[in-house]
Amino acid sequence: GAVVSQHPSWVICKSGTSVKIECRSLDFQATTMFWYRQFPKQSLMLMATSNEGSKATYEQGVEKDKFLINHASLTLSTLTVTSAHPEDSSFYICSAIPHPLTDTQYFGPGTRLTVL
Amino acid sequence: AQSVTQLGSHVSVSEGALVLLRCNYSSSVPPYLFWYVQYPNQGLQLLLKYTSAATLVKGINGFEAEFKKSETSFHLTKPSAHMSDAAEYFCAVSYGDHDKIIFGKGTRLHILP
Repeated sequence: GAVVSQHPSWVICKSGTSVKIECRSLDFQATTMFWYRQFPKQSLMLMATSNEGSKATYEQGVEKDKFLINHASLTLSTLTVTSAHPEDSSFYICSAIPHPLTDTQYFGPGTRLTVL
Repeated sequence: AQSVTQLGSHVSVSEGALVLLRCNYSSSVPPYLFWYVQYPNQGLQLLLKYTSAATLVKGINGFEAEFKKSETSFHLTKPSAHMSDAAEYFCAVSYGDHDKIIFGKGTRLHILP
């Protein structure tokens, strides 16, 4: 079956540093990937839609200069949390839509970010 | 705009008892509806989805859900709970298979021995 991986699975960083999270579709190509954020004991909130070869579309309230998204290839999207602060600590999950389209989208296992 | 409301942030059932997790949706167009399960510190696993075909949808692990347009509901059920069913369950809505998904707040299912 289709597999989406995320790297790293968890990361701890100091406040003020930047962290890059990768989302890869391992056995399919994905023209569209979504990035979600999940705070402890809360639901997933969509942050942005990442389209290969174009700028990401951010949801209202999400700072595009803080959460940089790059979808440079059909199998990789990256989310960079710039100048991270403790309030950015969260579980970040991506999902990918296969191309050609199939009947579902696939979620990655998530990346837990802790900012000290 | 689309949204889903999950009734009850925590539900406890005894092992072997019926599981019922409630979800109501709001959508201006025929929705795609999903139920996902999340085990601790893991990603999401699709349990089942409704895509305007049969109103009773069967999923994995013995779960099923029924789409009721008149009630705008998509409740998740399982006849007999297992200890392994303890997890967080999310109801979600979308305009399509390939659109962004709007999640409910989740219901944590506890299974009592």
